Amino acid sequence: QKEVEQNSGPLSVPEGAIASLNCTYSDRGSQSFFWYRQYSGKSPELIMSIYSNGDKEDGRFTAQLNKASQYVSLLIRDSQPSDSATYLCAVNMISAGGTSYGKLTFGQGTILTVHP
Amino acid sequence: DGGITQSPKYLFRKEGQNVTLSCEQNLNHDAMYWYRQDPGQGLRLIYYSQIVNDFQKGDIAEGYSVSREKKESFPLTVTSAQKNPTAFYLCASSIFRGPGETQYFGPGTRLLVL
Repeated sequence: QKEVEQNSGPLSVPEGAIASLNCTYSDRGSQSFFWYRQYSGKSPELIMSIYSNGDKEDGRFTAQLNKASQYVSLLIRDSQPSDSATYLCAVNMISAGGTSYGKLTFGQGTILTVHP
Repeated sequence: DGGITQSPKYLFRKEGQNVTLSCEQNLNHDAMYWYRQDPGQGLRLIYYSQIVNDFQKGDIAEGYSVSREKKESFPLTVTSAQKNPTAFYLCASSIFRGPGETQYFGPGTRLLVL
């Protein structure tokens, strides 16, 4: 079982629609969760971070965290062609010794295409 | 302008050659990281450093080496022992206050084998 798994893509949505990106993780003790956006050939840029159960909204983006289900999602409202990119889910996994140094474990990414 | 710089943007390695990738940050961040990304894959951690003169292996350290002599700099050497080095290499940094600090990425170096 992969430690961080994202829904397989590619995901294609029409302009103006809601894009839903999902991520599950294996370590129940994980504390911090991040969504990065990566355009082709570029480095990842942070979109959202979330630490507590529930929703966190920032503009057109909403991150949702459910620690009991070990599930984190990203919703993009009013999707635009400029949102077309690979979205990476990253989870702060707790090491076997019970400590965490800030190591992030990344999912494989979901490619999103928003078509006009 | 604060940020993370990586150089070169593209690097070509001949068989048996060691090459060094540069990573510099002026964000006053404590922690620095090196990741490798293969096509269609997520990021995998190579090495990380929380403080000067200290670093730890990540998940795929074999064939790589690092140093952390200055807070601002964390160079990565890809040695000849790394048999499949072609990848996109990303350097990141964070303020190390504990678990979950956000990592910010440099622009990356693409390494190709001749």
